[in-house]
Amino acid sequence: GNSVTQMEGPVTLSEEAFLTINCTYTATGYPSLFWYVQYPGEGLQLLLKATKADDKGSNKGFEATYRKETTSFHLEKGSVQVSDSAVYFCALREYSNYKLTFGKGTLLTVNP
Amino acid sequence: DAGVTQSPTHLIKTRGQHVTLRCSPISGHKSVSWYQQVLGQGPQFIFQYYEKEERGRGNFPDRFSARQFPNYSSELNVNALLLGDSALYLCASSSVEGGISGNTIYFGEGSWLTVV
Repeated sequence: GNSVTQMEGPVTLSEEAFLTINCTYTATGYPSLFWYVQYPGEGLQLLLKATKADDKGSNKGFEATYRKETTSFHLEKGSVQVSDSAVYFCALREYSNYKLTFGKGTLLTVNP
Repeated sequence: DAGVTQSPTHLIKTRGQHVTLRCSPISGHKSVSWYQQVLGQGPQFIFQYYEKEERGRGNFPDRFSARQFPNYSSELNVNALLLGDSALYLCASSSVEGGISGNTIYFGEGSWLTVV
C-alpha cells in the first residue's frame, strides 16, 4: 500500500535559519504530492503541491520538488520565521482515488 | 467565501455513548471526506462521499458511519465510543471526486472529541 515517511521531529531552529524536512514515499503509479501545515489548535492548510515528476511546488518561501527517481518531496525554506512554527505533514494522493495518505508530521519550532 | 465548516468544535463524551459530527463543504464542492487525527499522528482516512454515495472507506470499525445529504453537507457518526476514539476529526471537501491531479482538497478546522 501507499505510505509516507517524514523525518522525525521535533525540529528547533533559530530565526533566519535554513529549513529542510525530508519526506519519502511509496506508491503504485504516479501520485500527486502535498505539504500541509497545521498551526496550534487549527486544522490543516495546504502549503504547496506537485502533480508530476520534476514539478516544483512553492508558497510563502517554502519549496519542494517532486523527485521520482528518489521518491522524495523534501520541504525547504531559506530563512524561517517565528511564525513558521507549526506541524508540517507530507502527503500523497494516487491519481485513481481521492484518499490522502499522510506522514506522521514534523513539529517545527522557530526561536527568535 | 466560507471554507469548510465543522461543528461542534469541541465536545466531551462518555465511553459507550454516541456522537454525531457535522460538516459543510465549500460551496459548489460535491465531495466530502472524513479523517481522524490522533494526537501526535498524521490524519487517517475514514470515509469519502461523492454525490451522496460512499466512494471510499478506510480501515475503521463498523461503529463509524457517515452520510452525505442532498445539499452535500455530511455527518460522521460514531457509536459505542471508546477512549481510543479521542481525536481531532477533520472534514475535507473537494470540487470533484478525484482522479484530477491538480485537484485541491480543503480541510476544516476540525472537531475535537474527548472520550472519558
